[in-house]
Formats: sequence, C-alpha cells, structure tokens
Amino acid sequence: AQSVTQLDSQVPVFEEAPVELRCNYSSSVSVYLFWYVQYPNQGLQLLLKYLSGSTLVKGINGFEAEFNKSQTSFHLRKPSVHISDTAEYFCAVSGGSEKLVFGKGTKLTVNP
Amino acid sequence: SAVISQKPSRDICQRGTSLTIQCQVDSQVTMMFWYRQQPGQSLTLIATANQGSEATYESGFVIDKFPISRPNLTFSTLTVSNMSPEDSSIYLCSVWGGGNQPQHFGDGTRLSIL
Repeated sequence: AQSVTQLDSQVPVFEEAPVELRCNYSSSVSVYLFWYVQYPNQGLQLLLKYLSGSTLVKGINGFEAEFNKSQTSFHLRKPSVHISDTAEYFCAVSGGSEKLVFGKGTKLTVNP
Repeated sequence: SAVISQKPSRDICQRGTSLTIQCQVDSQVTMMFWYRQQPGQSLTLIATANQGSEATYESGFVIDKFPISRPNLTFSTLTVSNMSPEDSSIYLCSVWGGGNQPQHFGDGTRLSIL
C-alpha cells in the first residue's frame, strides 16, 4: 500500500520569493508521483508527474519537482512565486495501478 | 488532455433527499473515478465506475448510499442518497486514459446539505 505525507499544511511566502512544498511517500513497489493544484472553487489541475527517467521534472507555471528515491521524497519548488500561485497543492502517489493516494494538501499563500 | 464536464457545479439540498451528479468526458477513457473532498480535507476515493457493470467501492463507501452508473466510456453518474449534513463536500469526477497517463479531474460539485 502507498501513503503520502505533506509535511506543511500551510506555507505563507512573499511574492517573488522561492518556495518549496515538501512531500514524502511510502511504497513497497515502484511509484508514479504527481503534484496537483486546486485553485479556489475549482477542480484539480495536474502540475507535473514523475513516471521514470530524469529525477528532475518540470511542470506548468514554472514549477519543478525532484524525485529522490533514497529519501522517498518528491518536493515541489518554484524559484519565484506570484500572487496567482495562491492555491492548495496536493502530492499524490500511484503504485503502478490506476489508483491515486493523495496527501492532505499544502495551502500556499503568496502575499504582496 | 480530456475535457471533463461535471454538473451541477454546486447545489444546496435538504436532508433526506438525493442528488445525482453527472460527469461527461469528450473522449473515450479507460476508467472513471469518483472522489469526495470534505471541507478542509484531502481527496478520498469513493469508487471506480466500471462500464457496463457494478462500480467497485472503497472501504467505507457502499452502493446504497452512493449508487454509480457508467453506461458508456464517456459518461458516469454518482448519486448521493438520503443526504445528511455530513455529506456536505466537494464531489469530483476523474478520468484515466490508461498506461502512463495521469488522472484528470473535473471542476467538482460543491454540495451543501441543510
């Protein structure tokens, strides 16, 4: 079985500052990893995914994540955030089947 | 990626009533799923909607409470039956095209029970 831990429930940052949202996973099999973003009153939008290959994955809106197998982590980063990045971010894992297991989410608030 | 239309986008219902949520995708997909997102919480999988057969429910969810249909490869419905205030949540439909493709989500149905 898989599980996901998002270490920070809330992350406040100032505009143009860098941000890292942390995600650790647990799995007994090879995994696929995902980050989704949920803007207020919207569904989930895929930011990026790791399936195999390069451990640095680039996504939309300037976000990137690095898969670290030894530390079982998949942290999300952005070098300079905008007000419009204010949203909730979910890390998710799949053990190769279609089922996704989500973390509890991290609320990113970007302040001017 | 697939375009997913979910209806209604929100509703306010009386306790004891039922509501059916529709999910329409613009292309045939391998699998469709229904999730619940309770206020301030993460997503929990309710069930996998199987085309032409009974849905596969996760632990804690039962067919009598959440009947699901999937008559074809592009459409599914979730009914929330005999609603109580505890059913106030966002209900999300997602689709999976198979292989290495990620799941894609609809915009959700925001349901409040009075």
